Amino acid sequence: SAVISQKPSRDICQRGTSLTIQCQVDSQVTMMFWYRQQPGQSLTLIATANQGSEATYESGFVIDKFPISRPNLTFSTLTVSNLSPEDSSIYLCSVEDPGGNAFFGQGTRLTVV
Amino acid sequence: KNQVEQSPQSLIILEGKNCTLQCNYTVSPFSNLRWYKQDTGRGPVSLTIMTFSENTKSNGRYTATLDADTKQSSLHITASQLSDSASYICVVSANYKLSFGAGTTVTVRA
Repeated sequence: SAVISQKPSRDICQRGTSLTIQCQVDSQVTMMFWYRQQPGQSLTLIATANQGSEATYESGFVIDKFPISRPNLTFSTLTVSNLSPEDSSIYLCSVEDPGGNAFFGQGTRLTVV
Repeated sequence: KNQVEQSPQSLIILEGKNCTLQCNYTVSPFSNLRWYKQDTGRGPVSLTIMTFSENTKSNGRYTATLDADTKQSSLHITASQLSDSASYICVVSANYKLSFGAGTTVTVRA
């Protein structure tokens, strides 16, 4: 199993500002995944972060809004930029083990005011 | 339309009672199906993962079933405890992508 440390656990931000979320894994992984979970809804994949290359974004998500860094095999950041109230959500990072099981960070609850 | 549908959306049960959650999916080609438990303010934690050939898998008081022909799965919670109060999410893996259900919120009352 993988242990993922994600921070901050929650934040309240002013609209127009940005929030950077950090995710640290206790083992080296090739891919890290960033998800958004809006209230009462299922998780939606934002992007896949690959070490040494640009992140791969899903339909509806763009790099300007959700820039991602992946400086090494154990760490990644997701920035939610130019915040609006619609960005209020839970953001989660995730990794998968060789058996295909997914492990998640504790999540970051973002409230934009 | 979500390719993974869960029911009920929420349920309340008394401590010690059993309950069953349902998951229907249309995702294909199927690779595996997972059930996760998500406590409030926490990330999802894996309960079970089943491949095409597995019909049932248990993890303590949690038992998952899978009917790959009808594309249905269930999660049965036996002798519920207050700590079982959480959201339970059904996740189907296909083509290296995960499709998530919206979850069933279970509230266990003393």
